[in-house]
Amino acid sequence: SYVLTQPPSVSVAPGKTARIPCGGDNIGSHHVHWYQQRPGQAPLLVLSYDDHRPSGIPGRFSGSNSGNTATLTISRVEVGDEADYYCQLWDPASGVFGGGTKLTVL
Amino acid sequence: EVQLVQSGGAVKKPGESLRISCQASGYTFTDYWINWVRQVPGKGLEWMGRIDPRNTFTAYNPSLEGHITVSIDESSGTAYLQLRSLKASDTAIYYCARQRNGFDGLDVWGRGTVVTVSS
Repeated sequence: SYVLTQPPSVSVAPGKTARIPCGGDNIGSHHVHWYQQRPGQAPLLVLSYDDHRPSGIPGRFSGSNSGNTATLTISRVEVGDEADYYCQLWDPASGVFGGGTKLTVL
Repeated sequence: EVQLVQSGGAVKKPGESLRISCQASGYTFTDYWINWVRQVPGKGLEWMGRIDPRNTFTAYNPSLEGHITVSIDESSGTAYLQLRSLKASDTAIYYCARQRNGFDGLDVWGRGTVVTVSS
């Protein structure tokens, strides 16, 4: 089965740029979705189809996907962005989630 | 307002069965697939299965096939997740979430149902 690999944690200072990678075999041939999960809350879709922002998601969130790595980029990081972030794709009928990355805003 | 309202939490014993519900409102029920995702406390998300309400087509995580069943009641706009032969490792928060088509992201989520399996 398909495996998505994320680093357990990423730290960034407020106002800087955070990049959260998601690795997978030829992941660039898949469409990747990204979710934010704050403590005690349900996940929230922040990017779909690699780089599309759903309504209400700030323009500071962007994405890319090529080769064996998809990346979620958060520009001008705010304290409120501190959360767990998960990448996800369909392979093809089964859903696959990465293990999640905890973003810490220092 | 688009909502997925899940049933309340449950405490079960090992070997028992459980059915969780997810009632949709604010949109046409048959226009969106319903997925089930669980999260063991302190751990990541695990996709469990999904159903297309237009034709009741289902797909399951191979590691859970035979242990779970996903179904719907179109008349009430409700999706169900049934878990059989519960084990302590099934203790988790269970979420339902919708998607527009088979490759879309999960754009609306329920608040989650806490299930505890303990003797």
